[in-house]
Amino acid sequence: GIQVEQSPPDLILQEGANSTLRCNFSDSVNNLQWFHQNPWGQLINLFYIPSGTKQNGRLSATTVATERYSLLYISSSQTTDSGVYFCAVDAGNTPLVFGKGTRLSVIA
Amino acid sequence: SAVISQKPSRDICQRGTSLTIQCQVDSQVTMMFWYRQQPGQSLTLIATANQGSEATYESGFVIDKFPISRPNLTFSTLTVSNMSPEDSSIYLCSVEPRGGVSYNEQFFGPGTRLTVL
Repeated sequence: GIQVEQSPPDLILQEGANSTLRCNFSDSVNNLQWFHQNPWGQLINLFYIPSGTKQNGRLSATTVATERYSLLYISSSQTTDSGVYFCAVDAGNTPLVFGKGTRLSVIA
Repeated sequence: SAVISQKPSRDICQRGTSLTIQCQVDSQVTMMFWYRQQPGQSLTLIATANQGSEATYESGFVIDKFPISRPNLTFSTLTVSNMSPEDSSIYLCSVEPRGGVSYNEQFFGPGTRLTVL
């Protein structure tokens, strides 16, 4: 099945710093999503982005489908950005496969 | 998108007992799924809940341990049977409404945090 690798596994940032999270996947995908899991366990949809670039406030994402990777950019980080960021993909009529996540801690 | 609720939000159970988790969606959805997230780990799919037929289980998960019902297009239950401490996890329901521009975008419920003593 499709493999999903996320990097880095852990990231500590000072408030106000910028960061880039990466997601590599092993096969062509129909769907790629980025989620933020907050400290209470809730999974929040950030982006549905099988290809192209999207922006939402301080967050943006780019997926280069031909090269099988996606990037999530967080600018001017805030303590509320802390949590785990997951990338998940499906290869077409298959369930989502999740990466292991990037655990982000933003320190005031 | 879809608004998804789960009950209970958390529970502490004794080993050997069973717990049924409910998932309710505010609109009819084609696809519903159940995931498990063990402490400090990523999400693993347990099964696809099929309306009107038996659920489709992933490798490593069996119906006797995780029976699933889906009586209609807005509701599903997952039972964790004969629990052991290893079943302590967050259990999440998700849906794929299959509509609009993001045709196969998936949305998750708030999760049920289960602790087995």
